[in-house]
Order: sequence, then C-alpha cells, then structure tokens
Amino acid sequence: KNQVEQSPQSLIILEGKNCTLQCNYTVSPFSNLRWYKQDTGRGPVSLTIMTFSENTKSNGRYTATLDADTKQSSLHITASQLSDSASYICVVIMYNNNDMRFGAGTRLTVKP
Amino acid sequence: DVKVTQSSRYLVKRTGEKVFLECVQDMDHENMFWYRQDPGLGLRLIYFSYDVKMKEKGDIPEGYSVSREKKERFSLILESASTNQTSMYLCASSQGGGWGTEAFFGQGTRLTVV
Repeated sequence: KNQVEQSPQSLIILEGKNCTLQCNYTVSPFSNLRWYKQDTGRGPVSLTIMTFSENTKSNGRYTATLDADTKQSSLHITASQLSDSASYICVVIMYNNNDMRFGAGTRLTVKP
Repeated sequence: DVKVTQSSRYLVKRTGEKVFLECVQDMDHENMFWYRQDPGLGLRLIYFSYDVKMKEKGDIPEGYSVSREKKERFSLILESASTNQTSMYLCASSQGGGWGTEAFFGQGTRLTVV
C-alpha cells in the first residue's frame, strides 16, 4: 500500500480558476514534505518544501499547507495558467533514513 | 543550474536484450538514484548510490543492476529485458547529508520492451 495518497488522480479546470490538490500520508517518522511539478515528458522539479514546523508556504501562485497532526498537505494554485498543466507529485521524506516516498501524482489540465 | 542528463529519451528493445540506461550529473552530487514511474504507482526506487562504487537496493531491484564507476555517472542495467520492464525511468541526484535535500531529476527515458 502506498504510504502517500494523492487526490484527485486527475483534474480539469478553466484558465484563471483556482484549484487545490491533496496529499495524505502515513509515513512516520516524518522529516519534511516536498511538492514537485512534472511537465509531460520531463523529470519532476521541486516547487516547495515543508518542514515539520511549517504550516503554510507560498511560491508565487502556489501555496502549500501542512498539518503534521492529521498528516495532510495541500497545494493550492491561484489564477491558473495553461502552463500549470502538469502532474503534481507529493514526496514525503522520512526522518530516520531520509527515504523519499512518492505519491502517484495528480494530473492537472488547465483549459482555455 | 544543476543538470541531470539521461542518455536517451526513448528506447525500444527486444525481450532478452541487455539494456544500458546512462545518467550523468554535473553538480558533484554524492547521491544518485534510479526510479521507474508507472501510471497510478508513482515513482518507485530501483537502486541508489551515495558514493563511487557504492550501491544499495531500493524497493524494486529485481531484474536490474547498477554501476557507479565515476561520481558523475550512474548506470542502470537490465540484464535481460522483459515486457514488464516497459516503463518511464528517471534518474536523480542530490547533495550529501540526507535525502531530504532536493533531488534533481533527469528528463526521463521511456523504455518499451517488445
């Protein structure tokens, strides 16, 4: 069973709209969590990192939240653009051995 | 900028062939990784290396081997390719001090075994 679950699996929105992607994890002990963006045919690129003590972090139109108590993270995209179309992958890093656990990703499509 | 380069974007191989996937990084990173990515499963770790000539098995090492003769180069070898090894293969590297540091990925190799 994957220890990192992402929802929805796929999402289609209109350009300019906002959306929120979810990541629930059971990985323990937890060190930090990263969101990666993967464009079609490319490797993943890190968007943001959340440490245990952080609740919210913004990177331009991307805002990540983390609730370490409920083991949930979200990625909110504001005023979506066509270039936001990609897969978004949640990665949880374990504390003891720094092992990375990947979610299956959410495929976002932004339509004009 | 960190650059991780995989030798091929697309490969088609026959069942039973020996397949080499090459990965080179230019930032003097200690850690290098090979993953495969399949729909609905996310990235799964095949092998990783934290130093030259060192290698460790990941979650799904069966049917694969690796080689790291130089710090910048990490090769994935399919000894006898099978159709269930058809997948996207991603190489990554990161600086030492733990995998919590950012991993930089190559562009991926789409391997089809027929």
